[in-house]
Amino acid sequence: DTVLTQSPALAVSPGERVTISCRASESVSTLMHWYQQKPGQQPTLLIYLASNLESGVPARFSGSGSGTDFTLTIDPVEADDTATYYCQQSWNDPTFGGGTKLELK
Amino acid sequence: EVQLVESGGGLVQPGRSMKLSCAASGFTFSNYGMAWVRQAPTKGLEWVATISYDGSSTYYRDSVKGRFTISRDNAKSTLYLQMNSLRSEDTATYYCTSAPSMYTTDWFAYWGQGTLVTVSS
Repeated sequence: DTVLTQSPALAVSPGERVTISCRASESVSTLMHWYQQKPGQQPTLLIYLASNLESGVPARFSGSGSGTDFTLTIDPVEADDTATYYCQQSWNDPTFGGGTKLELK
Repeated sequence: EVQLVESGGGLVQPGRSMKLSCAASGFTFSNYGMAWVRQAPTKGLEWVATISYDGSSTYYRDSVKGRFTISRDNAKSTLYLQMNSLRSEDTATYYCTSAPSMYTTDWFAYWGQGTLVTVSS
């Protein structure tokens, strides 16, 4: 299985720029996708194929990367962005990263 | 509006069976691949199984192969997950998800609210 590694947590102030990283144990080309999960809710799709913004998602969110290193950027961060963010690869059987919990200062 | 509504979860003893259902609406169900993704309490997300738009192809994670069966009834716009020989490690909220289009099942575009399955004696 392809292992995806994310930093466990980040804390930022509203209005700042935040980058959330995801590293794959092998190259997944651009077959990387990002989800947001707010407390007590189901996940929602943010970014697909590394850099494509899902319809209805604010342009404050963006994705980049290829191969083994990927980044989700939120700029500027808003209070409503408090959530856990997951990356997911589809190069082979789907796997998810452990999630990055974003907290607002 | 796409809606996915799961049902069938609850408390079940180890070794017993349970069948989850997911009623879909707001899109042409028969044109899209579907999948189940689970999340153990306070843990991350874990893919369980995927089924193609017509049910002809199915895929499973290794830990559920031979125990779980994903299926669909396109006439009823319903997805199923039959879970046999349940183990404590299967305890999780199970989410029904849909593919983004009829051409790929690579990511999970829409998610239901989830149904909690607790395996315990």
